[in-house]
Amino acid sequence: DSGVTQTPKHLITATGQRVTLRCSPRSGDLSVYWYQQSLDQGLQFLIQYYNGEERAKGNILERFSAQQFPDLHSELNLSSLELGDSALYFCASSVGLGGAGETQYFGPGTRLLVL
Amino acid sequence: AQSVTQPDIHITVSEGASLELRCNYSYGATPYLFWYVQSPGQGLQLLLKYFSGDTLVQGIKGFEAEFKRSQSSFNLRKPSVHWSDAAEYFCAVGPRSGTGKLIFGQGTTLQVKP
Repeated sequence: DSGVTQTPKHLITATGQRVTLRCSPRSGDLSVYWYQQSLDQGLQFLIQYYNGEERAKGNILERFSAQQFPDLHSELNLSSLELGDSALYFCASSVGLGGAGETQYFGPGTRLLVL
Repeated sequence: AQSVTQPDIHITVSEGASLELRCNYSYGATPYLFWYVQSPGQGLQLLLKYFSGDTLVQGIKGFEAEFKRSQSSFNLRKPSVHWSDAAEYFCAVGPRSGTGKLIFGQGTTLQVKP
C-alpha cells in the first residue's frame, strides 16, 4: 500500500458526459501528479500540482482540468468524454517539487470506461 | 525529443532463470532513471532509481540495474526470477530539477514459466 488513495476504482459512463476522479496523496506529500495509461499511448504524464499550484503540464487535453485543494487532495475533471478517453488514470504523490530523483508513490488507479 | 524505449514488449523466462529487461533513453541531459513494476490491478511500485555515483544500483526484490551513459541505457536485471515477478515493468526518466514529470517507456510484460 503506497498511501495514495484514489476514488472511484472503476467508472463507467457515456460519451459526452463529465466525470471527476479524486486523489488523496500520502500524508505530508505536497505534490500530486496525474498520469493516463492507455493501450495506444502508454503511460503519459498529464499534470502536476505542488501545494495547490500548477507546477507542470504534459499532454493534457483542454477538455481535462485538475486542481489541488488546501487539504492537498486533488481532483481530475474529464468533460465531453470520448471513447478514446477510456484508460487507467493514476495519481501519484511526492514530498517536494519532484525532480532530483524524488520518488513518486502511485495510487491503485481509476479505470474509466467510456461507452 | 525526450523518450524512453523498451524494445521488448513481452518476455517469457523460466522460474529460476536470469532476467534482463532493456531500456534506452533519449534526453537532453543526464536524467534521473527509474524502474517501476506494475502487478495486475495494482499501481506502480518503484524498484530502483539512479541519480549519480555508482552506475550499478540495487533495488528491492533482488533487482539491480546498470546505467551506461555511452549507450544511453539503463537495463534491469535479476539473477533468478521467481513466479511472483510476473508483472509489467516500466522504465522512466525524470528531470534533475524543477518538476516531477516522468517519461515512461511502453513497458515490458514479464511472464514466468514454472
